Amino acid sequence: KNQVEQSPQSLIILEGKNCTLQCNYTVSPFSNLRWYKQDTGRGPVSLTIMTFSENTKSNGRYTATLDADTKQSSLHITASQLSDSASYICVVSTDSNYQLIWGAGTKLIIKP
Amino acid sequence: DAEITQSPRHKITETGRQVTLACHQTWNHNNMFWYRQDLGHGLRLIHYSYGVQDTNKGEVSDGYSVSRSNTEDLPLTLESAASSQTSVYFCASSDGASGIVEQFFGPGTRLTVL
Repeated sequence: KNQVEQSPQSLIILEGKNCTLQCNYTVSPFSNLRWYKQDTGRGPVSLTIMTFSENTKSNGRYTATLDADTKQSSLHITASQLSDSASYICVVSTDSNYQLIWGAGTKLIIKP
Repeated sequence: DAEITQSPRHKITETGRQVTLACHQTWNHNNMFWYRQDLGHGLRLIHYSYGVQDTNKGEVSDGYSVSRSNTEDLPLTLESAASSQTSVYFCASSDGASGIVEQFFGPGTRLTVL
């Protein structure tokens, strides 16, 4: 069964600190992996999209890594800000852009 | 600016009633999607459409229907609302171009079925 698992479920860190969120997937065939940010009460917003040939992609203070061999991805947030408080969702696509397999997300809280 | 909107943002209804959630996008995207999001679960696909007059069932389509009469709108209808359909519903759209394309999401509709 195609699955995407994320850890931890929730995380609290102090403003200015770095953190890393994990994603493991068992999806076949694999096309691409996406990270989304979802603020409370809002729809998800795309942060990065990576194919199997890309092992790192950055978007400002967000850096995603992908190891297609071990089927693992991580999202690293540098110098966290209060506005980074949100849920971060890992999503894997098979051979179609149209059907995405969603993880349950990691809820990140940044404390001042 | 192009956008995707959903209405209503909040809805309370009773078991057995028919409910329609609206989704409107001004991106001129061919593809539109409806998802539901429940606590502790990832988003689950309900229905999707690749263009006008095209609709397809997703992972959790039972009890839901959609119709696509124009490019901009994909309304989601709950034929006879059930308490299990209490959820947050998200509409999304994407370009129909080939290659890897991004999905853009609306703000969501929180539906409560009593």
